[in-house]
Amino acid sequence: GIQVEQSPPDLILQEGANSTLRCNFSDSVNNLQWFHQNPWGQLINLFYIPSGTKQNGRLSATTVATERYSLLYISSSQTTDSGVYFCAVVSDGGSQGNLIFGKGTKLSVKP
Amino acid sequence: DTAVSQTPKYLVTQMGNDKSIKCEQNLGHDTMYWYKQDSKKFLKIMFSYNNKELIINETVPNRFSPKSPDKAHLNLHINSLELGDSAVYFCASSRYQGMDTGELFFGEGSRLTVL
Repeated sequence: GIQVEQSPPDLILQEGANSTLRCNFSDSVNNLQWFHQNPWGQLINLFYIPSGTKQNGRLSATTVATERYSLLYISSSQTTDSGVYFCAVVSDGGSQGNLIFGKGTKLSVKP
Repeated sequence: DTAVSQTPKYLVTQMGNDKSIKCEQNLGHDTMYWYKQDSKKFLKIMFSYNNKELIINETVPNRFSPKSPDKAHLNLHINSLELGDSAVYFCASSRYQGMDTGELFFGEGSRLTVL
């Protein structure tokens, strides 16, 4: 099955810093989502981005489907950005709606 | 208004008991899912229902039985609970079922602890 690898696994930032999180996947996909799991465990939708670029405030994401990767950019990080960021995909050959999750990037933003 | 809601949010029970988790979505979506997050934060699909019909049934013990009375509800019943069932269970929904299911929206999770 499709493999989803996220890097880095852990990231510690000072408040105000910028960061880039990466998601590599091993097969073509028809669905790619980024989620933020906050310290209370909630999974917050960030982007639905099987291809192209989107921006939402301080966050933006780019997926280059032909090269099988996606990037999540966080600018001017805040302590509330702390948590785990997951990339999840549905492969073209996979079961519909079967999101395959990466292991996540744990982000800690220090004041 | 909560789009995907689950109850209960926390559940502590003894081994061998039977328990249920309920899920409701008010997004008008056709497809609903159950995902499990283990102690290492790894998320994996368990079941998918489209308009009350089972679509995906991953390798899950048959002690787990999903039930969908209508397309807005997908409940999870677990028999004879074991220690290894302790996890956070997430319900989700999406508009479509087909080549592109679209964006999935998740509930807040139900943390099950089996003692």
